[in-house]
Amino acid sequence: GEDVEQSLFLSVREGDSSVINCTYTDSSSTYLYWYKQEPGAGLQLLTYIFSNMDMKQDQRLTVLLNKKDKHLSLRIADTQTGDSAIYFCAESRGTDKLIFGTGTRLQVFP
Amino acid sequence: EAGVTQFPSHSVIEKGQTVTLRCDPISGHDNLYWYRRVMGKEIKFLLHFVKESKQDESGMPNNRFLAERTGGTYSTLKVQPAELEDSGVYFCASSHLGGLNEKLFFGSGTQLSVL
Repeated sequence: GEDVEQSLFLSVREGDSSVINCTYTDSSSTYLYWYKQEPGAGLQLLTYIFSNMDMKQDQRLTVLLNKKDKHLSLRIADTQTGDSAIYFCAESRGTDKLIFGTGTRLQVFP
Repeated sequence: EAGVTQFPSHSVIEKGQTVTLRCDPISGHDNLYWYRRVMGKEIKFLLHFVKESKQDESGMPNNRFLAERTGGTYSTLKVQPAELEDSGVYFCASSHLGGLNEKLFFGSGTQLSVL
């Protein structure tokens, strides 16, 4: 099985909150990341969380980490059409090499 | 400041041909990484350069792939001969210092299609 798993699609109405989930398998993960990929663009780092934290908030973004369940989530408040993109969860295990998930395609409709 | 640039943005080749992908990192970034996303699956690490040296090449699929970074500036990734399963998006990323909380800057990728 894959090391980092995400659901493939999420569709939300503009103005609602979006929650993108990710599960990982390795308990030695040190940092966990959320990247965003807009059409035709590269990956953009949105936020990251250290494994000894359980929550991090940055404006409309809230990251929750449940280390016991190896579950990471990204909540986007007041989702806008510009938030439509693919969101990748990634982990590092003490090295520079990142382990990515399959990506969740978020579609925001009016 | 220019970001990470990759060339070409798209490449369509036939099985058995050779393709060379190029990545220009942000100026001054010693760390350069190659990643690949195949068939809409997860993005997988290929290798990591520190300047001109290969720090970690554990993700390179097989000896048909050759990465170079002569002079520690731009990098090339050659696939020879290309196979159907090599199709995917190849991403390059760079960072200044490396390390876990060092921000990676990604290029927009090269879409490789092997027919």
